[in-house]
Amino acid sequence: GIQVEQSPPDLILQEGANSTLRCNFSDSVNNLQWFHQNPWGQLINLFYIPSGTKQNGRLSATTVATERYSLLYISSSQTTDSGVYFCAVSGGSYIPTFGRGTSLIVHP
Amino acid sequence: GAGVSQSPRYKVTKRGQDVALRCDPISGHVSLYWYRQALGQGPEFLTYFNYEAQQDKSGLPNDRFSAERPEGSISTLTIQRTEQRDSAMYRCASSLGSQGEAFFGQGTRLTVV
Repeated sequence: GIQVEQSPPDLILQEGANSTLRCNFSDSVNNLQWFHQNPWGQLINLFYIPSGTKQNGRLSATTVATERYSLLYISSSQTTDSGVYFCAVSGGSYIPTFGRGTSLIVHP
Repeated sequence: GAGVSQSPRYKVTKRGQDVALRCDPISGHVSLYWYRQALGQGPEFLTYFNYEAQQDKSGLPNDRFSAERPEGSISTLTIQRTEQRDSAMYRCASSLGSQGEAFFGQGTRLTVV
């Protein structure tokens, strides 16, 4: 199956800082999503982005499918951005496969 | 409802008991997925359905685990003779189709004592 690697595994920021999270995958994909798992354990949809670039407020994402990676940008980080960010991809099997996540802590 | 609904939210059971976890997907969503997530890990695939047909059950860890979706809507994940290692967050997701955006429920936190 598809292998998904996320980096960095852990990230600590001061409020107001910017960050870039990366998701590498091992094969062609037809679906890629970014999720935020908040401290209460909920998985929140951020982006559905099999290719191209999308923006939503302070967050944006870019997927370069031909080079098998996706980036999630967080600008002007806030304490409420804390949590774990997951990338999930699916290929021919149509089964979303998750990476291990990036754990983000934003200090006030 | 507007989102994916899972019940119960929390379940504590004694080792050896059977448990049934319920998932009510978004209305009209064809595909339904079950995942299990251990602390500090990403969700791991268990099984998925299109309509009432179980398309893939390769992620079910052993034959104590089973799932059904008899009418193509609500799904039940059943774990027989629970063991402590079954303790985890069990998550359900649904999507409009196989390649669509997946939406997750709030999960069921299972603790086997």
